[in-house]
Amino acid sequence: GNSVTQMEGPVTLSEEAFLTINCTYTATGYPSLFWYVQYPGEGLQLLLKATKADDKGSNKGFEATYRKETTSFHLEKGSVQVSDSAVYFCALRSMEYGNKLVFGAGTILRVKS
Amino acid sequence: KAGVTQTPRYLIKTRGQQVTLSCSPISGHRSVSWYQQTPGQGLQFLFEYFSETQRNKGNFPGRFSGRQFSNSRSEMNVSTLELGDSALYLCASSLEGPSNTEAFFGQGTRLTVV
Repeated sequence: GNSVTQMEGPVTLSEEAFLTINCTYTATGYPSLFWYVQYPGEGLQLLLKATKADDKGSNKGFEATYRKETTSFHLEKGSVQVSDSAVYFCALRSMEYGNKLVFGAGTILRVKS
Repeated sequence: KAGVTQTPRYLIKTRGQQVTLSCSPISGHRSVSWYQQTPGQGLQFLFEYFSETQRNKGNFPGRFSGRQFSNSRSEMNVSTLELGDSALYLCASSLEGPSNTEAFFGQGTRLTVV
């Protein structure tokens, strides 16, 4: 079945450091890929998405490129801020799998000032 | 445009009781999905409703059920609560469409079973 694997956290960075959170997936068909962010005590917020191979999703300085050849969707940001501290979830969705979101385990990001 | 609204935000229940959670989707969204989030199992899909019909179901026991009303509002019910049902329950709404349609989440209902 469909699955998502994320790098384990927590990831601890200093402010203005470069961020990469790795995400790889296994899926039948042609899934859409998403990154969601969860701040403490909150629900999930969509950060960015990509719907086909080589698409790049971007938002608030975060980027991720849909790489079909490596089945990856790594999240990157050039300069993190303390306010980026949160849990980040990679997810996929495909019609062949009932259109439900399948999430990775989540990666905790801590940014120190 | 109002977001997804879940009520209540917090609940404390005793083992053996039942509980009903409510979700009001974004106006115009007809698909509502429910997810359970726990530290051990992460985010797991419970079920999806569309036009008052359950369209998809996850791997949860029959104690977990749901329904959707004609105005797209949805409820989920958990009967005979167990300690392991303690979790954050998240509701997400989507427009009907292909898989590239994004899902918008509510803030969740934090259920604690004691």
